[in-house]
Amino acid sequence: SQKIEQNSEALNIQEGKTATLTCNYTNYSPAYLQWYRQDPGRGPVFLLLIRENEKEKRKERLKVTFDTTLKQSLFHITASQPADSATYLCALSSGGYNKLIFGAGTRLAVHP
Amino acid sequence: ETGVTQSPTHLIKTRGQQVTLRCSSQSGHNTVSWYQQALGQGPQFIFQYYREEENGRGNFPPRFSGLQFPNYSSELNVNALELDDSALYLCASSFGTGNTGELFFGEGSRLTVL
Repeated sequence: SQKIEQNSEALNIQEGKTATLTCNYTNYSPAYLQWYRQDPGRGPVFLLLIRENEKEKRKERLKVTFDTTLKQSLFHITASQPADSATYLCALSSGGYNKLIFGAGTRLAVHP
Repeated sequence: ETGVTQSPTHLIKTRGQQVTLRCSSQSGHNTVSWYQQALGQGPQFIFQYYREEENGRGNFPPRFSGLQFPNYSSELNVNALELDDSALYLCASSFGTGNTGELFFGEGSRLTVL
């Protein structure tokens, strides 16, 4: 069956360091992959989309990589700040419409 | 530009009751998707509506049903509520139905079933 895995344990890092979050998937051939940020009690907010023919995408302090051979995406936040503390969700496309399959998310805590 | 709005924000029901959740899509968006998010889990796709028709459904029983109106707003109805239906229900809007990009989520409706 289709499966998406994100680090279930919280990631604790020091302010200014680079945070790296992992998303692994099996039994998928997604056309694209997305990353969302979710704060407690709020809806997810879109951050980045990367397509299957792209290796890397950047937006300000964010960088996403997509390795379709390893079936893995890495999400990096450089020069992290306490305001970056949130849960980050990985989502894959599935089907011919905007149906997304989400991972359970990884909670990031950036400490001053 | 108005974002996605959902109502109510919180509600409490008892087992066996029925609930209706409402969603207004972002201006210019014609597609609405509903997701269920249990505590500590990622959102799970319930169904999508496009041009007032259901356009794809996840692994949810028929007691989960929906509507989309001509102004693209949408409702999610759940009958015969069960304890496991307790979750955050998220509405997301987009334009079109293809694999074209991001979803815009509302803040969700938190349902508690006692």
